[in-house]
Amino acid sequence: KAGVTQTPRYLIKTRGQQVTLSCSPISGHRSVSWYQQTPGQGLQFLFEYFSETQRNKGNFPGRFSGRQFSNSRSEMNVSTLELGDSALYLCASRTGDNSPLHFGNGTRLTVT
Amino acid sequence: GQQVMQIPQYQHVQEGEDFTTYCNSSTTLSNIQWYKQRPGGHPVFLIQLVKSGEVKKQKRLTFQFGEAKKNSSLHITATQTTDVGTYFCAGVGGNTPLVFGKGTRLSVIA
Repeated sequence: KAGVTQTPRYLIKTRGQQVTLSCSPISGHRSVSWYQQTPGQGLQFLFEYFSETQRNKGNFPGRFSGRQFSNSRSEMNVSTLELGDSALYLCASRTGDNSPLHFGNGTRLTVT
Repeated sequence: GQQVMQIPQYQHVQEGEDFTTYCNSSTTLSNIQWYKQRPGGHPVFLIQLVKSGEVKKQKRLTFQFGEAKKNSSLHITATQTTDVGTYFCAGVGGNTPLVFGKGTRLSVIA
């Protein structure tokens, strides 16, 4: 089985721009979660989608949004980028509640 | 909201020494999961503990879940350079998403 695929791997954007990150989960996994990883804050939960519905949302501003498509692929969007948004964005899929997360390689976003 | 604290933040050990990282939750957990992230990599699932007082072993790694299901530990016996990385615990309470601790970064000096 193919793993979780995230594109692109690297992104450099300028403050004020917006960005869209993509995630393809493992086949058969209907749950997709997004995490932001920074050196000081560890892994912070952004949101989780299951069958195209957002089930949980972390404590992030409204500039961070996401969606899930009928094929379980997910995208997250960050608008009006700030320098502090520079981070590794990780997508993870799982089969259901309480099952392990399978992470992708992440998208490293740098905001200048 | 649910918080998961993990200590220590960093640990430097000589190869062959033991290593332990501790995880504490502010609330009772339904289960706890452990992940390892190698430098430059992504977190990889190691194990899940579900039962109160549960102990599981994977070769040199021993995982424990506290009786109150609010704390957990990972112990590595006789560390090797391949153990280098950051170890995260992640707790699940009810229908909340996984909440990760900030991780313990392990360095092993050969």
